[in-house]
Amino acid sequence: DTGVSQNPRHKITKRGQNVTFRCDPISEHNRLYWYRQTLGQGPEFLTYFQNEAQLEKSRLLSDRFSAERPKGSFSTLEIQRTEQGDSAMYLCASSPDRGVLHEQFFGPGTRLTVL
Amino acid sequence: SQQGEEDPQALSIQEGENATMNCSYKTSINNLQWYRQNSGRGLVHLILIRSNEREKHSGRLRVTLDTSKKSSSLLITASRAADTASYFCATDVPGDYKLSFGAGTTVTVRA
Repeated sequence: DTGVSQNPRHKITKRGQNVTFRCDPISEHNRLYWYRQTLGQGPEFLTYFQNEAQLEKSRLLSDRFSAERPKGSFSTLEIQRTEQGDSAMYLCASSPDRGVLHEQFFGPGTRLTVL
Repeated sequence: SQQGEEDPQALSIQEGENATMNCSYKTSINNLQWYRQNSGRGLVHLILIRSNEREKHSGRLRVTLDTSKKSSSLLITASRAADTASYFCATDVPGDYKLSFGAGTTVTVRA
């Protein structure tokens, strides 16, 4: 089963350090999304790619956050100068370009803890 | 910002009983989806209902959508211990691809 994969699954870092997460979408999916989920809340949208183009960024994505999808396949999400408030589950999802049906397939997430 | 709100926040039922949870949203939507999340893990897609549909079934799941009330319900029949999870509704609006999630309903099925 080649679903969405994310690495690492867990990351513990000290405040001020940089971290990078990777997402590998389902291979034929050209849309890729990043969401952040804090404890007891639903996921919140961060950013979205269509192939290699980053088409939308949430206001949640401060200038310390950057996401790339260089060849339209895997994506990376980097957080610079991490803060304790960045502690959350970071979820990646992908979907095919299939008209108006927007079913998204999620990966297992990367849980970030900033000490 | 979160478009949807689920009700109740938490639900505890006996195995074999039905579980019903509701979702309300604020703006006109394209589709409404329900996802399940087991503790600390990723989301699993359960069912998608389009804005022009009123009811949809998938196995033990039944989803209704009332666009006039901007609300949806998810019914899980004959619940099992494995149904213990958090359930989220998510909406997308015309011309946009991102999903807006509610805060979820946590369901506990007691053996």
